[in-house]
Amino acid sequence: GEDVEQSLFLSVREGDSSVINCTYTDSSSTYLYWYKQEPGAGLQLLTYIFSNMDMKQDQRLTVLLNKKDKHLSLRIADTQTGDSAIYFCAERDNNNDMRFGAGTRLTVKP
Amino acid sequence: DTEVTQTPKHLVMGMTNKKSLKCEQHMGHRAMYWYKQKAKKPPELMFVYSYEKLSINESVPSRFSPECPNSSLLNLHLHALQPEDSALYLCASSQDREGGNQNTEAFFGQGTRLTVV
Repeated sequence: GEDVEQSLFLSVREGDSSVINCTYTDSSSTYLYWYKQEPGAGLQLLTYIFSNMDMKQDQRLTVLLNKKDKHLSLRIADTQTGDSAIYFCAERDNNNDMRFGAGTRLTVKP
Repeated sequence: DTEVTQTPKHLVMGMTNKKSLKCEQHMGHRAMYWYKQKAKKPPELMFVYSYEKLSINESVPSRFSPECPNSSLLNLHLHALQPEDSALYLCASSQDREGGNQNTEAFFGQGTRLTVV
């Protein structure tokens, strides 16, 4: 199986908060990333967190990191229909290359 | 400027054709990557260039041939592809791959959607 795991689907109502979860296995990962991919497009870097932090906030986005449990989450406040996309969690592997989870498809209903 | 530009956006090619995908960045990044992404799957790493030298080739068939003419450009030459090679091909770049505590976030292009017929 994959070393970075995410649930595949999440559906929320517009205006609600979305929480996308991710678990990773490489305890030596120094940086962890969230990317957003809209249909037919490339990956857009949303945010990242350094492993010595446990929280990072950037406007509507909040990243929480539990290093002990190797658990990463992305919270999107006031979710909008334009947030509908696939969200990939990623870690840097031993070669400092990106290793991606399977992606979580977020659907925002009006 | 955090832009990685890929051309063409779409490509349809026959199994006997030869074509090339191009990628360009002007962020001064010294690491460049090719990823392949099938539908509903995460990107899979194909090749990594670091300081214009190929440093990783993830057991990719020889019908895919990467080239890094200079630090800003990355090509992927395609020859005798199979229909199962149809996918979104993503280019990415990062500052370098030296690691440590340096953030080497990767910036992605919009991809080339390749269809092999």
